[in-house]
Amino acid sequence: QKEVEQNSGPLSVPEGAIASLNCTYSDRGSQSFFWYRQYSGKSPELIMSIYSNGDKEDGRFTAQLNKASQYVSLLIRDSQPSDSATYLCAVNTGGNNRLAFGKGNQVVVIP
Amino acid sequence: ETGVTQSPTHLIKTRGQQVTLRCSSQSGHNTVSWYQQALGQGPQFIFQYYREEENGRGNFPPRFSGLQFPNYSSELNVNALELDDSALYLCASSLDSSYNEQFFGPGTRLTVL
Repeated sequence: QKEVEQNSGPLSVPEGAIASLNCTYSDRGSQSFFWYRQYSGKSPELIMSIYSNGDKEDGRFTAQLNKASQYVSLLIRDSQPSDSATYLCAVNTGGNNRLAFGKGNQVVVIP
Repeated sequence: ETGVTQSPTHLIKTRGQQVTLRCSSQSGHNTVSWYQQALGQGPQFIFQYYREEENGRGNFPPRFSGLQFPNYSSELNVNALELDDSALYLCASSLDSSYNEQFFGPGTRLTVL
């Protein structure tokens, strides 16, 4: 079983719609969860951190965490063409602050 | 506040050679982690340095080694390069080893021919 799984294929959404991304993780002891955005040819950029069950909102982004189900999600409201990127789910695991990453989900916002 | 910087930006080496990649952590950060990102994959943890000591290592062979300097900058060394070592090498810094948010530098693109 992979440590972090992002199974959805590329996601195409019309401009102004909501993009929804999902992620599951295997280590029940994980306490910290992150979403990174990575534009093509660039390095990952931290956009959201979440540590407690429930929702956390930051601008157009909302992260949701359910530790019982070992599930993290990211919602992007009012999607813009500039949101077109790969979104990486990362989970702190292993006890030494290493991050385990999913494979990423590509989001394409269609004008 | 200066962000994470890495050098060089791109590098081309041949199989069997050795390479050194460099990273300067964000101002005030004493922890540096290195990741390897193959095309189409998420970053894979190589190792972490905290106050000049290795603080955890991923599933990479010993030919991947590193160090951290007193100013918290860091180097990643890879010996006996293999074709599969071709990847984007990312350095991430965090405030300290107990602070989980990690901020990435621009990366070094290594191509092994």
